[in-house]
Amino acid sequence: EVQLVESGGGLVQPGGSLTLSCTASGFTFGNYWIHWVRQAPGKGLVWVSRINNDGSDTVYADFVKGRFTVSRDNSKNTLYLQMNSLRVEDTALYYCARGGDRSFDLWGQGTPATVSP
Amino acid sequence: EILLTQSPGTLSLSPGERATLSCRASQNFSSRYLAWYQQKPGQAPRLLIYGASSRANGIPDRFSGSGSGPDFTLTISRLEPEDLAVYYCQQYGHSPQITFGPGTRLEIK
Repeated sequence: EVQLVESGGGLVQPGGSLTLSCTASGFTFGNYWIHWVRQAPGKGLVWVSRINNDGSDTVYADFVKGRFTVSRDNSKNTLYLQMNSLRVEDTALYYCARGGDRSFDLWGQGTPATVSP
Repeated sequence: EILLTQSPGTLSLSPGERATLSCRASQNFSSRYLAWYQQKPGQAPRLLIYGASSRANGIPDRFSGSGSGPDFTLTISRLEPEDLAVYYCQQYGHSPQITFGPGTRLEIK
């Protein structure tokens, strides 16, 4: 089955760190750019970051630049999001999504990250 | 950064009716880079339309997209109860930043 499965979410205090993972199956992971998108409770979709197919190029939204790092291990079909210096406003459901033809054509089910004192 | 606005914020229609959802960009960009997503309650988003008018795999032909920068439209003909969802537009072209609209909530009476 073609799918993305996120994991690693949890509860962390402000200033803490969390590493999310996104594991792919059913397709050639190394052929695709992958994105992270988040959704705060009851809010809309917000793009966070993307990485190109071989991991040599990454881009971040301004509000996470310098705090989050995206990486990938194509041998393990896995994408990572290292989140440092977390803030309460980073609380959200984090989705990974496959970059298709000018769109995100495959989404995971998301993993929740809660930042609270 | 290209900002997207969507209207209306909420749309309430009956089964069998036609829904017209609007997405307006703060500046022009190629329609090649406009996509629409459907997010049903408790689910991940699903790609509906890419390139402004091309349906994604498995999407019924009741869903259609049209328009060119800065104004785009998603039309759902013959609404069904299962179409209850929030619909988001997205611009993918003003690299490297990608933005989503705030969404239109579609309620089925």
